[in-house]
Formats: sequence, C-alpha cells, structure tokens
Amino acid sequence: QSALTQPASVSGSPGQSITISCTGSSSDIGNYNLVSWYQHSPGKTPKLIIYDVTKRPSGVSNRFSASKSGNTASLTISNLQAEDEADYHCCSYAGTYTPYVFGSGTKVTVL
Amino acid sequence: QVELVESGGGVVRPGGSLRLSCAASRFTFSNYGMHCFRQAPGKGLEWVAYVRFDSTSKRYTDSVKGRFTISRDNSKNTVSLLMNGLTTEDTATFYCARESGGRSLNKNFDYWGQGTLVTVSS
Repeated sequence: QSALTQPASVSGSPGQSITISCTGSSSDIGNYNLVSWYQHSPGKTPKLIIYDVTKRPSGVSNRFSASKSGNTASLTISNLQAEDEADYHCCSYAGTYTPYVFGSGTKVTVL
Repeated sequence: QVELVESGGGVVRPGGSLRLSCAASRFTFSNYGMHCFRQAPGKGLEWVAYVRFDSTSKRYTDSVKGRFTISRDNSKNTVSLLMNGLTTEDTATFYCARESGGRSLNKNFDYWGQGTLVTVSS
C-alpha cells in the first residue's frame, strides 16, 4: 500500500483541464515543500515535471501546474493533449528515516 | 543528454540473489547522489535505496535492509544494487535515478533509467 493516495485514473477530453490529487500526512506532504511529480509514458523513462511543490523544470510545458494545501498536493494539466496520456506519480520527501514516499500512480486518459 | 541504463534483471528463485547495474553517462557522475526505485506490477513507485555521491552515506527502505546493498564505482560511472534473499514480494521493475542538484541534494530525481524487470518465482 502506497504512502500517498492518488486516484487510480483520471480522464478528460482534449482541451480540457484535469487535476490529480495526492494525499499524504503531516509527516510528508504536510511537513515539507518537497513534493515532486513524474510523468511515465509507455516505453519511456519517468520524467520529472514538477519539483518543490510548484516548480517546473526547464523544457516542461506550462500546461502543467501544481500546488499544495495541508497534506494534499495537486497536479493540474491544462489544455489536455493526446501526448499527456501517461501515468503520473507524486512523491514527497518524508524525513531521514524513510526519505521518499510515493503515490500509487494515476493513469491519465485523453478521451 | 544524460543517460542511465540498467541491466541485470531476470528470473530468480525465492531466496536467490541478483545484482543490478546502472551505467551512467554524459554527466559528472561523481557529483550526484543516486537512487534505486522499484515498481511492482500494478503498484506505484517505491523508493528502495540511496548512495551519496562519495559513497559515505547509504540508505535503504525498511523492507530491504539487511538484504540489499547499494554501491557505486565513480571510476566506472556505475551504481549497483546487490539483492540477496529475494522473495516474491521483490518482483518489480527496478529503476535507477539521479538526484537533481548535484551535491545540493534537491530531493527530486531528474533523470531515470528505462528499468530492468526482476521476477522472483519458483
């Protein structure tokens, strides 16, 4: 069982916006501004798309945005496109003992 | 472009051992912490192990402590994960990844390998 809770699947039509939630606890998401999100498309390596809760690495589309409130982080994909179909994984730093916890992953389907 | 290539996966009997390798290229390997992750079938990603850029610190998730050993060879740009006492619960695709920021330890992972599948089955 994953430490962080994500919906198993989210879908949307091209051009729409979708939001993926990632719920943790006061030991991880609620305690550190160190949430990251990874996009994993079939046949590709996982890709860092968000770090430090809201920051986008160079080269990542600004259609990806993220936020955090309390123990829950969220990833929003705006203007959904076919190429966004992938699994999305949230991750939070959780301290020195078990440094990193992940969500169970969310499969995004573009209808 | 940074490249990480895993190898060493395969089918192993319960109680057996396997050594995974991750070959790094196109960046200064000796400046970066490296991590291993795994994803069991139908499950999310799980952090497994970490080795500091200079090997002075290593960390493991509880379920592999005492069974898995992470190491690195900065002269060969490789990180290895020696897995002993494998159980069916260890069946997963294993990934190596670079921690971003070099020695700054940014606590996110900017480059990943393609993964290597480990199947533990009798």
